[in-house]
Amino acid sequence: AQSVTQLDSQVPVFEEAPVELRCNYSSSVSVYLFWYVQYPNQGLQLLLKYLSGSTLVKGINGFEAEFNKSQTSFHLRKPSVHISDTAEYFCAVISTGANNLFFGTGTRLTVIP
Amino acid sequence: ETGVTQSPTHLIKTRGQQVTLRCSSQSGHNTVSWYQQALGQGPQFIFQYYREEENGRGNFPPRFSGLQFPNYSSELNVNALELDDSALYLCASSRDRTLYEQYFGPGTRLTVT
Repeated sequence: AQSVTQLDSQVPVFEEAPVELRCNYSSSVSVYLFWYVQYPNQGLQLLLKYLSGSTLVKGINGFEAEFNKSQTSFHLRKPSVHISDTAEYFCAVISTGANNLFFGTGTRLTVIP
Repeated sequence: ETGVTQSPTHLIKTRGQQVTLRCSSQSGHNTVSWYQQALGQGPQFIFQYYREEENGRGNFPPRFSGLQFPNYSSELNVNALELDDSALYLCASSRDRTLYEQYFGPGTRLTVT
């Protein structure tokens, strides 16, 4: 069975400060990992994904994430946040051979002016 | 390129009624996946349609059913609505059953009273 844990339900951070949103997964097989962002009253937008290769993945809007197989983690980072980054962020996983995404419960990032 | 669209935007139904939600996939995409996102939760996979056939299903009862049409648009039908069916319903389209590049619509907010 696979699952995704997002350890922080809410993360407040001041504008221009760095941020890390944590994600841990469990799976008995190889996985593909994703981060999605959801702005208020909108659908999900893919920020970045890890399928294979380099464990450091760069995405849109200055975000990056690092796949750590030994820690079963895929934490999302941004060195300097903007007000416009205020949104809900979801980590998701697909186990190889599966045909559906499993999402975490989300982390609400609030950027404070 | 037209994005994923969903209709209606909002819907209010009474317990026991039936509802149909619609999704138009992105141009060139032949796969549609449906997700239920309850308030404060991550999306949960309902089912996927590929070339008009169901191609995988999550842990949802049979009163959740779907269709995909020759133009690859899709419907989600829910019978005998329950209060817990109140949620944001998201559809996502992709090519050839892949989940690595899904594009999400803005969702339909269903409220069951």
